[in-house]
Amino acid sequence: GQNIDQPTEMTATEGAIVQINCTYQTSGFNGLFWYQQHAGEAPTFLSYNVLDGLEEKGRFSSFLSRSKGYSYLLLKELQMKDSASYLCASLDSNYQLIWGAGTKLIIKP
Amino acid sequence: IAGITQAPTSQILAAGRRMTLRCTQDMRHNAMYWYRQDLGLGLRLIHYSNTAGTTGKGEVPDGYSVSRANTDDFPLTLASAVPSQTSVYFCASSDSTATDTQYFGPGTRLTVL
Repeated sequence: GQNIDQPTEMTATEGAIVQINCTYQTSGFNGLFWYQQHAGEAPTFLSYNVLDGLEEKGRFSSFLSRSKGYSYLLLKELQMKDSASYLCASLDSNYQLIWGAGTKLIIKP
Repeated sequence: IAGITQAPTSQILAAGRRMTLRCTQDMRHNAMYWYRQDLGLGLRLIHYSNTAGTTGKGEVPDGYSVSRANTDDFPLTLASAVPSQTSVYFCASSDSTATDTQYFGPGTRLTVL
């Protein structure tokens, strides 16, 4: 079956760095997405990786290892506004997104 | 209109009633999607449309139907609502292919009693 695993909840301190991991098992693979979702709001796009390696975009970076079925989202210089759920999603062989349940990130002052 | 809109924002519905959730985008995106989001579960794809005039079934299509008469609109209909359809429904669109970013509407919170 198809499966996306990510931690349910994480806590970090304002100004610190946090890494949110995601492992995926999907029928085929055409890329890995990360979305941010604030409580009660719609998901918004953060990153898309299809090749191995790290892609940096400001305070956020995303890493992919296709051979390990593994990705992580790295958030630096955490701000209170980064408190949100972070959704990992794998694009399968039918080009449909398979979503993880999301990681709720709590930022403490 | 800017982006993607959904209506209603929320709705309480008696079981057995018919309900249509509306979704409109003004970005001229070819592809549109309907998801449901339930606590503790990931977003699950209900139906999708790659272009106007075509639709396809997602992971959880039973009890739902869609139509795509034009590029902008993609309504989702529950023919006879059941309590298990209580959820938050998100409509999304993307420019063309599945590797394009999906843009989400604000969601409709539906409660079926």
